[in-house]
Amino acid sequence: DTEVTQTPKHLVMGMTNKKSLKCEQHMGHRAMYWYKQKAKKPPELMFVYSYEKLSINESVPSRFSPECPNSSLLNLHLHALQPEDSALYLCASSHGTDDQPQHFGDGTRLSIL
Amino acid sequence: GENVEQHPSTLSVQEGDSAVIKCTYSDSASNYFPWYKQELGKGPQLIIDIRSNVGEKKDQRIAVTLNKTAKHFSLHITETQPEDSAVYFCAAIAGANNLFFGTGTRLTVIP
Repeated sequence: DTEVTQTPKHLVMGMTNKKSLKCEQHMGHRAMYWYKQKAKKPPELMFVYSYEKLSINESVPSRFSPECPNSSLLNLHLHALQPEDSALYLCASSHGTDDQPQHFGDGTRLSIL
Repeated sequence: GENVEQHPSTLSVQEGDSAVIKCTYSDSASNYFPWYKQELGKGPQLIIDIRSNVGEKKDQRIAVTLNKTAKHFSLHITETQPEDSAVYFCAAIAGANNLFFGTGTRLTVIP
């Protein structure tokens, strides 16, 4: 079992729907991350939150909107997604220094119809 | 930015044999190198890591070596077992929480 919990595990949505992915950690980590992973590829960084503030946005389209309500929670709001957005979305957390590991959840498998 | 290369992309070994995966990195400022194992339907799980002030680290059947001068690091798995079959990713951190992944190695351990 991972210490980073993501819900839902699977999500199927149409291109006009609005949905949210949720991530939770209780390790006291102050940095949280969203990654996108396509099949047979490494994870690609989307967003980084450090101390609940957005610190990195890797030029992600505005149809993806992150939110960090508190230090334990991270959301990713989805709206008007495209079929190419179908992927595994991974959340991770870390202490936030550059010599500490990131711990990943098991992801949300997203399919866009 | 950092560029991490990983080889081989696929690796098949007989159960009990050793497996070696090699990575190179480009940014001399990188100072932390984790290795992740990703099983089907799961997220990447940290299996071992090494910091730039250490040349080698071992944890039971898994070891990692780091050569800062040559900018390469390697994962060694001894006495492989079928449950070691997975995709393995090397990674490097070059500050500001930026984790750069290698392209992955699909390891298959044949019983």
